[in-house]
Amino acid sequence: EVQLVESGGGLVQPGRSMKLSCAASGFTFNNYDMAWVCQAPKKGLEWVATISYDGSSTYYRDSVKGRFTISRDNAKSTLYLQMDSLRSEDTATYYCARGRSLFAYWGQGTLVTVSS
Amino acid sequence: DIVMTQSPTSMSISVGDRVTMNCKASQNVGSNVDWYQQKTGQSPKLLIYKASNRYTGVPDRFTGSGSGTDFTFTISNMQAEDLAVYYCMQSNSYPPTFGGGTKLELK
Repeated sequence: EVQLVESGGGLVQPGRSMKLSCAASGFTFNNYDMAWVCQAPKKGLEWVATISYDGSSTYYRDSVKGRFTISRDNAKSTLYLQMDSLRSEDTATYYCARGRSLFAYWGQGTLVTVSS
Repeated sequence: DIVMTQSPTSMSISVGDRVTMNCKASQNVGSNVDWYQQKTGQSPKLLIYKASNRYTGVPDRFTGSGSGTDFTFTISNMQAEDLAVYYCMQSNSYPPTFGGGTKLELK
């Protein structure tokens, strides 16, 4: 059974950093591109970033370029999102999802709240 | 970026109804539109991919159609467990972009 389990969310002050993790199981992790998708409270879904299966290519939405870094450790079957210089508008539930742009599997999400 | 516009934003429906919602892309996306269902407190779930293909295990009361810029998602016989927000998403070009969602509520 495919499982994606996010962790690392919580309350963080504006300007600070936070690193999210997504532990994958039930499939061959290094065969798949992976993505992060976020959802602000009571709002819609927004794609955040994608990383290729081997980590060689990364893609970001404009609003996080230069602040967020997506990475992966294929030996640990784990996806990461390093978030720096956090802003209040980054407050959202962050989901990891399997795939480049067809998201057949999603984690349960981890809530990041940016507030002083 | 391609803008996906969903309509209506919400619908009041009854069990057994036929429900139809729309998604319009700001430019041609071919058949590269997927539909997701998100129930309250849950993560999204893929229902339809490439406009009209039902994902594994999805009941046949869910159908999708369209190409180019105009897409339609239909629930043929609404069930109580179908109450959710439905999102379209274009996967034709990066970045993938979602519509704003259509929320189904009971009358």
